[in-house]
Amino acid sequence: NAGVTQTPKFQVLKTGQSMTLQCAQDMNHNSMYWYRQDPGMGLRLIYYSASEGTTDKGEVPNGYNVSRLNKREFSLRLESAAPSQTSVYFCASSDRGDTEAFFGQGTRLTVV
Amino acid sequence: GDSVTQMEGPVTLSEEAFLTINCTYTATGYPSLFWYVQYPGEGLQLLLKATKADDKGSNKGFEATYRKETTSFHLEKGSVQVSDSAVYFCALSGDQAGTALIFGKGTTLSVSS
Repeated sequence: NAGVTQTPKFQVLKTGQSMTLQCAQDMNHNSMYWYRQDPGMGLRLIYYSASEGTTDKGEVPNGYNVSRLNKREFSLRLESAAPSQTSVYFCASSDRGDTEAFFGQGTRLTVV
Repeated sequence: GDSVTQMEGPVTLSEEAFLTINCTYTATGYPSLFWYVQYPGEGLQLLLKATKADDKGSNKGFEATYRKETTSFHLEKGSVQVSDSAVYFCALSGDQAGTALIFGKGTTLSVSS
């Protein structure tokens, strides 16, 4: 039972480089989310997709774009990475917004 | 907007001590409330939840009661173990479809033997 799978697990980028974080879930969930975790800040919502074909901004969307490719996949793109985007990124999914969310293992991103 | 406030950590306890981690929330409507746990190097996993006032969530010896009158959802455990060392997050979700979980900042618990 894979659950939520994120790739890559670790990444180092230079300032200005771009990359896409991939996320896939196999639980047939409608909603998917991207959070970032920083020391002392908890988890902050970047973007979410309540259902296939929709995306909405969260608390900290600047510098990011997302694509809900299909019901299973929700990617997060950094067009021009900045050191402030050094963080651990978590993808999650749920049947709907008010039910239990399942999390991936996280992507540790360092921008130098 | 909706928000969650939980006690600052770290919390350091000896094995078999009693644990309380305070959590209060601000929300419109009737949110669901959750406690998630994050073990070192891992993602978050659900510990317990409560979906309406006066509900008690419980799991692995942990308990929390949804108190609407005090807008609180405090986490308790009667006797902690070293294996409970982790980061604990309180979270809420709105009562509408299309919302997302809102998390507190997390409380680090360290239990020594």
